[in-house]
Amino acid sequence: GAVVSQHPSRVICKSGTSVKIECRSLDFQATTMFWYRQFPKQSLMLMATSNEGSKATYEQGVEKDKFLINHASLTLSTLTVTSAHPEDSSFYICSASGLRGEQFFGPGTRLTVL
Amino acid sequence: QKEVEQDPGPLSVPEGAIVSLNCTYSNSAFQYFMWYRQYSRKGPELLMYTYSSGNKEDGRFTAQVDKSSKYISLFIRDSQPSDSATYLCAMRMFSGGYNKLIFGAGTRLAVHP
Repeated sequence: GAVVSQHPSRVICKSGTSVKIECRSLDFQATTMFWYRQFPKQSLMLMATSNEGSKATYEQGVEKDKFLINHASLTLSTLTVTSAHPEDSSFYICSASGLRGEQFFGPGTRLTVL
Repeated sequence: QKEVEQDPGPLSVPEGAIVSLNCTYSNSAFQYFMWYRQYSRKGPELLMYTYSSGNKEDGRFTAQVDKSSKYISLFIRDSQPSDSATYLCAMRMFSGGYNKLIFGAGTRLAVHP
């Protein structure tokens, strides 16, 4: 089946620092990858959609300068949270799109900003 | 009104029970329907993917779609404690040049021995 990995699985950082999260599709090429944010006991909130080789499309209310997305290859997308603050603490999940438009999710990254 | 409505539960059932999970939606543009299972602190796992109205069965899981009523269901037969998780319905639509998923709130299910 389609496998998507994320790294790191958990990160704790100080306020003001930047954090990079990697998302990889391990056994298929994904033209489109998605980044979500999930708060405790809530559903997934789409942050942005990224296509390989082009700029990401951000959802309304998501600051593109704060959440930098790079989709350099068909198997790798990265999300960088710049100048992180405690309110950025959350569970970040990426997904990669399959041929039928279904999405396969990574295991998520738990970010804690002190 | 949200585009996708899903009762967050929690839903608690005894082992072996039949579980029924449901979502309603308002946007006729939704054409593809998915059910995901999410364990605590993990990413969602795709369980079922459906397009047509009717039933689709996979092992103990049956997905049902009624496009005329804008209603989808997931049935779990012979439920097991390992089925305890949050179940998210998701609906695909084409927007802004991409196929996006709109998720329900998720229903928390607990199956007790």
